[in-house]
Amino acid sequence: NAGVTQTPKFRILKIGQSMTLQCTQDMNHNYMYWYRQDPGMGLKLIYYSVGAGITDKGEVPNGYNVSRSTTEDFPLRLELAAPSQTSVYFCASSRMTGNTIYFGEGSWLTVV
Amino acid sequence: AQRVTQPEKLLSVFKGAPVELKCNYSYSGSPELFWYVQYSRQRLQLLLRHISRESIKGFTADLNKGETSFHLKKPFAQEEDSAMYYCALPYGGSQGNLIFGKGTKLSVKP
Repeated sequence: NAGVTQTPKFRILKIGQSMTLQCTQDMNHNYMYWYRQDPGMGLKLIYYSVGAGITDKGEVPNGYNVSRSTTEDFPLRLELAAPSQTSVYFCASSRMTGNTIYFGEGSWLTVV
Repeated sequence: AQRVTQPEKLLSVFKGAPVELKCNYSYSGSPELFWYVQYSRQRLQLLLRHISRESIKGFTADLNKGETSFHLKKPFAQEEDSAMYYCALPYGGSQGNLIFGKGTKLSVKP
């Protein structure tokens, strides 16, 4: 039972590079989320999706893009990486809002 | 604005001592609140939620609307309780995306 799987686990990017963080869930959850966690800070919502084809901005969407072509997958794209995007990124899913959220293991991203 | 405050970054107790991790929230209605936990090298996971009124791993949390608090308590801490604990509140009180506090690192010493 994989739950929420995100890749890669670690990545170092140079300023201005682009990359995609992959996220997939096998629980048939409608809702998916991307959070970032900076050192000493709580999780902040970047983007979320309430179902395939529907995405919406969270608290800190600038510099990121998402898509939700299938129920299972919710990739997060970083365009023109900046040092401010150095963070730990968590993908998560839930059956609906208000329900338990299931998290991936996190992706550590460093932009240098 | 809705907010979740966890005033302690780090809480250190000895094994067997009582522990209380503080959480205060700002919301005018009757919120649903959650505690999530992240053990070392594990993913973030739900510990307990207000609506279920359960005791999980000996932890309980009571919603105090007067004090707008949802403190997490355990009468006798164990070493395996050492982890990061996050309090969370949904936007709109019950159905929205979660707002997380900054987290409290609990360290239980032998």
